[in-house]
Amino acid sequence: ETGVTQTPRHLVMGMTNKKSLKCEQHLGHNAMYWYKQSAKKPLELMFVYNFKEQTENNSVPSRFSPECPNSSHLFLHLHTLQPEDSALYLCASSPSTSGESDTQYFGPGTRLTVL
Amino acid sequence: SQKIEQNSEALNIQEGKTATLTCNYTNYSPAYLQWYRQDPGRGPVFLLLIRENEKEKRKERLKVTFDTTLKQSLFHITASQPADSATYLCALPRDSNYQLIWGAGTKLIIKP
Repeated sequence: ETGVTQTPRHLVMGMTNKKSLKCEQHLGHNAMYWYKQSAKKPLELMFVYNFKEQTENNSVPSRFSPECPNSSHLFLHLHTLQPEDSALYLCASSPSTSGESDTQYFGPGTRLTVL
Repeated sequence: SQKIEQNSEALNIQEGKTATLTCNYTNYSPAYLQWYRQDPGRGPVFLLLIRENEKEKRKERLKVTFDTTLKQSLFHITASQPADSATYLCALPRDSNYQLIWGAGTKLIIKP
């Protein structure tokens, strides 16, 4: 266990559905991240939150909407997704985003399939 | 922009031998580089960090080297075991901030 949990672990949704992914970290970290991982491709950083403030949005389509109500919780709201959005969505946390060597701790991911 | 290259082909190694994985980057030399392990259906797990002024770092059976002239890091597992089978990712900070960019990973298979 890394101290980062994600729910659900698997999600199948239609293109017209609305769903949310949840991430919780129990490490006392101040930074949280959403990544997308597609088969045989590098991790793609989607969003970064530092002290609950969004500090990065890597040109992510608006059908993905993040929410960070506090430093321990992070959500990714999904709406009218496309089949190419099917991937493993990983949440990570780190002590902060300002340290040059902050290690990231990952959750197990949510395997998303869009039909 | 910075790019990371890792062998996309799986690496098959006989148990007991040393496995060596490569991470090449293309542009500026980063202040540090990290290695992670990822098992199927799980998130990456941090293994080692090496800084630009360190040529080598060790942790148990793991060894990482960092050659800023070659723009390359090598990751070694000595006395490899089947339990070492996984995908290994390297990551380094982007030039504009400390956000990590990632290689696609190399799948390592240790055969008994």
